[in-house]
Amino acid sequence: EDQVTQSPEALRLQEGESSSLNCSYTVSGLRGLFWYRQDPGKGPEFLFTLYSAGEEKEKERLKATLTKKESFLHITAPKPEDSATYLCAVQANGANSKLTFGKGITLSVRP
Amino acid sequence: DGGITQSPKYLFRKEGQNVTLSCEQNLNHDAMYWYRQDPGQGLRLIYYSQIVNDFQKGDIAEGYSVSREKKESFPLTVTSAQKNPTAFYLCASSPRGDIQYFGAGTRLSVL
Repeated sequence: EDQVTQSPEALRLQEGESSSLNCSYTVSGLRGLFWYRQDPGKGPEFLFTLYSAGEEKEKERLKATLTKKESFLHITAPKPEDSATYLCAVQANGANSKLTFGKGITLSVRP
Repeated sequence: DGGITQSPKYLFRKEGQNVTLSCEQNLNHDAMYWYRQDPGQGLRLIYYSQIVNDFQKGDIAEGYSVSREKKESFPLTVTSAQKNPTAFYLCASSPRGDIQYFGAGTRLSVL
C-alpha cells in the first residue's frame, strides 16, 4: 500500500527565516510526486511535479527536490503570504491515475 | 474562464436525506475525481472516472454514488447510508491522469 508521511505537522517561521518541509513516501514504483498549496476553505493549488530522483523545480521562493525515499519543499526567505497548508501526493506506476495524499503541513509565517 | 466549478459552496443535510454535490469542468479533461477532506486528515478518494460512462470506487466509496454521463460533469450524491457526511468535499480533474486540478470545494454539514 502506498504511503505518504509529511513532517512536521505544523511549522511557524519568522518572515525571512528559511526552512524545509519533508515528505517521505513508500510506493511500488514512483510515477510522480506532487506538491500542492491549500489556503483555508479553498481547493488545493498545484505547485510542482517531480518524476525522478535528483530532479529539482523552483517557483519564486519555493524549491522542490526529490530522492528515492523523500521530497523536500524548501522555502527561502518566506513572507506572510506563504502561510498555507502544503500537501504532498504520490502516484504509483499503473495506479490508474490515483494519487495518495499526505496529511499536509500547516505553515505560518509571522511578519 | 476555464476551470472547475463546484456548487453549492455550503450545503446542509437533514437526517435521512440524500444530497447531490455538483462538479462541472470546461477544461476538456477526461479524468475526474471526488475527495473528502476532514480536519487534520489528508484527502481521501471517494470515486474517480477516467472516461465518460465509466467510474471506479476509491478508498471510501460506501455511502456515496456518482454518475458520469457527460465529459464536463461528475456529480456526487451523499446518501442517507453515509452516517458521518460532515466534511469538505473536493472535486478535481486531470488532462492526462497525472496532475490533478481542484475546484473550490463544497462544505457539507448535518442539521
